[in-house]
Amino acid sequence: EADIYQTPRYLVIGTGKKITLECSQTMGHDKMYWYQQDPGMELHLIHYSYGVNSTEKGDLSSESTVSRIRTEHFPLTLESARPSHTSQYLCASSELGGHEKLFFGSGTQLSVL
Amino acid sequence: SQQGEEDPQALSIQEGENATMNCSYKTSINNLQWYRQNSGRGLVHLILIRSNEREKHSGRLRVTLDTSKKSSSLLITASRAADTASYFCATGTGANNLFFGTGTRLTVIP
Repeated sequence: EADIYQTPRYLVIGTGKKITLECSQTMGHDKMYWYQQDPGMELHLIHYSYGVNSTEKGDLSSESTVSRIRTEHFPLTLESARPSHTSQYLCASSELGGHEKLFFGSGTQLSVL
Repeated sequence: SQQGEEDPQALSIQEGENATMNCSYKTSINNLQWYRQNSGRGLVHLILIRSNEREKHSGRLRVTLDTSKKSSSLLITASRAADTASYFCATGTGANNLFFGTGTRLTVIP
């Protein structure tokens, strides 16, 4: 089992609310990622980080933001949630290097009403 | 985009049969990986094959890679009901990030 944890597991909120999805890993991995996945669809990378104080935007444009103040923690924030943000959000981590085996959390299923 | 495309999109087999899933991609890669995802959960890494390898085994899994055709296949032998899941291929360039395909939804009927 991977030592990477996401909370909450499910979140149902109203439009306009600010939310933070938590992701923590205890493997000491430098790289961390956030993917967005709609039901039955592929994963889209929205943010990644090479390490502390490093954040990069992924391939899919997202209104969310991330921070990396500690190696083990990579939270994702939506300042004002909208129904279009309804999706599953998956956090992952990996060691730095060319062969990037990813370890995934269980995901947060977000529903914005 | 160099995202992989899995084929078939869905596959339903009887327990004990073999399941084969294919993945095609568009650009040069450093490695190709296969992941499994149970419904509503995160992905679990199954196997990684490097661009200079042609075949790799792990338990009941066999992966092949043909870089000239830009394709890979995942074979699961003697399938079990617990193998029911979605299977994704992911391509790595060694530079930044993995690109995931659209997945094959496998159902193994007991």
